Amino acid sequence: AQSVTQLDSHVSVSEGTPVLLRCNYSSSYSPSLFWYVQHPNKGLQLLLKYTSAATLVKGINGFEAEFKKSETSFHLTKPSAHMSDAAEYFCVVKPLASGNTPLVFGKGTRLSVIA
Amino acid sequence: NAGVTQTPKFQVLKTGQSMTLQCAQDMNHEYMSWYRQDPGMGLRLIHYSVGAGITDQGEVPNGYNVSRSTTEDFPLRLLSAAPSQTSVYFCASSAGLSGNTIYFGEGSWLTVV
Repeated sequence: AQSVTQLDSHVSVSEGTPVLLRCNYSSSYSPSLFWYVQHPNKGLQLLLKYTSAATLVKGINGFEAEFKKSETSFHLTKPSAHMSDAAEYFCVVKPLASGNTPLVFGKGTRLSVIA
Repeated sequence: NAGVTQTPKFQVLKTGQSMTLQCAQDMNHEYMSWYRQDPGMGLRLIHYSVGAGITDQGEVPNGYNVSRSTTEDFPLRLLSAAPSQTSVYFCASSAGLSGNTIYFGEGSWLTVV
C-alpha cells in the first residue's frame, strides 16, 4: 500500500532563511511524487512533480525537491523564504504502475514566515 | 479555458437535507475525483472516476453518491446530510495517466447544522 508521511505539521522560518519541508513515502512501485501548495481559502496549486526523470526537480517560485529512492524521501526546499510562501504544503504520491490509481495525500505542513 | 469549476462555493445545510456539489472541467480529462479536507487530515478521497460511466469508491465514500454521465461533469451528492460531513470539498481532474498534473477546483465550503 502507498502512504505519505509529512514529518512536520508546522514549520516556522524567518524571511530570507532556507525552507525545508520533509516528506517520506512508501510505495510498492516507482511512484510519481508531487508537492502542492494551498493558500488560505484557495484550491491546490502544483509546485513541482517527479515522474522518474531527473531526481532533482525544480518547481515554481524557487522551490525544488530531490527524489531519494534509498531514503524514500522527497523533501521540498527553497533557499530563501518570502512572506508570500506562507501556506499549507502537501506531499502527494501516485503509483506509476497502477495507471489511474488515485493520489495519496500527506496530512500537510503549514509554513509560517516571520518578518 | 476555465479548468475545474465547482459550485456552490459556500453552502449551509440542515441535518437530513440533500444537495449536490457540481464539478465541471473543460480539459477533456478522463480522470475526475472528489476529496474532502478536514483540519489535520490532509485530503481524503471520496469517489473517483476514470471515464464516463465508470466510478469507484475512495477512502471515505459513505454518505456520498456520484455519477459520470459525461466526460465534463462529475457531481457529488449528499443524500441525507450529517454534521460529520461539514468540510471543504475539492474536485480534481487529470488526463489520467500516471505523472500527469492534477488540477483542482477552488473548493466548496459545506456546513451541516
